[in-house]
Amino acid sequence: GQNIDQPTEMTATEGAIVQINCTYQTSGFNGLFWYQQHAGEAPTFLSYNVLDGLEEKGRFSSFLSRSKGYSYLLLKELQMKDSASYLCAVRDSNYQLIWGAGTKLIIKP
Amino acid sequence: TAGITQAPTSQILAAGRSMTLRCTQDMRHNAMYWYRQDLGLGLRLIHYSNTAGTTGKGEVPDGYSVSRANTDDFPLTLASAVPSQTSVYFCASSDTGGGAGADTQYFGPGTRLTVL
Repeated sequence: GQNIDQPTEMTATEGAIVQINCTYQTSGFNGLFWYQQHAGEAPTFLSYNVLDGLEEKGRFSSFLSRSKGYSYLLLKELQMKDSASYLCAVRDSNYQLIWGAGTKLIIKP
Repeated sequence: TAGITQAPTSQILAAGRSMTLRCTQDMRHNAMYWYRQDLGLGLRLIHYSNTAGTTGKGEVPDGYSVSRANTDDFPLTLASAVPSQTSVYFCASSDTGGGAGADTQYFGPGTRLTVL
């Protein structure tokens, strides 16, 4: 079966750094996505990795290791507005996205 | 531009009744998708369409049907609603659906459906 695992909830302090991990087992791999979803809103695209390594985009970075079936999303200089759920998704051999259940990130002042 | 719109925003439906959730995009994307999101679970694909005139089944298609008469619209129909279809439904679209590059999916605001 196909499986995406990420922690259910994490807590971090404003101004700090947090790393959200995602491990996956899928039938095929055609890229990994991270989305942000604020409560009651739609998911919005954050990052895409298809090759191993780190992709940096402002305060957010995403890392991929295909051999380990592993990715992380790194958020720096945390702000209160970063309180949200972060969804990891893998595009499988059928080019469909398989989604993790999401990690709820709570930012404390 | 509006991007993707969905209607209604929320709905309470009696079990056994039918309902159509509407989705319209103005980005001229070829591919469109319907997902449901339930607490503690990841988004699950119901149906998709890679281009106007074609549709495909996702992970959880039972009890749902779709049509794609044109590029912009992708309605989702529940023929006879059951309480297990209580969920938040998201429509999404992407440029190609064929996996070229990132082919990022963009989401509508969602429809919150309660079946009693």
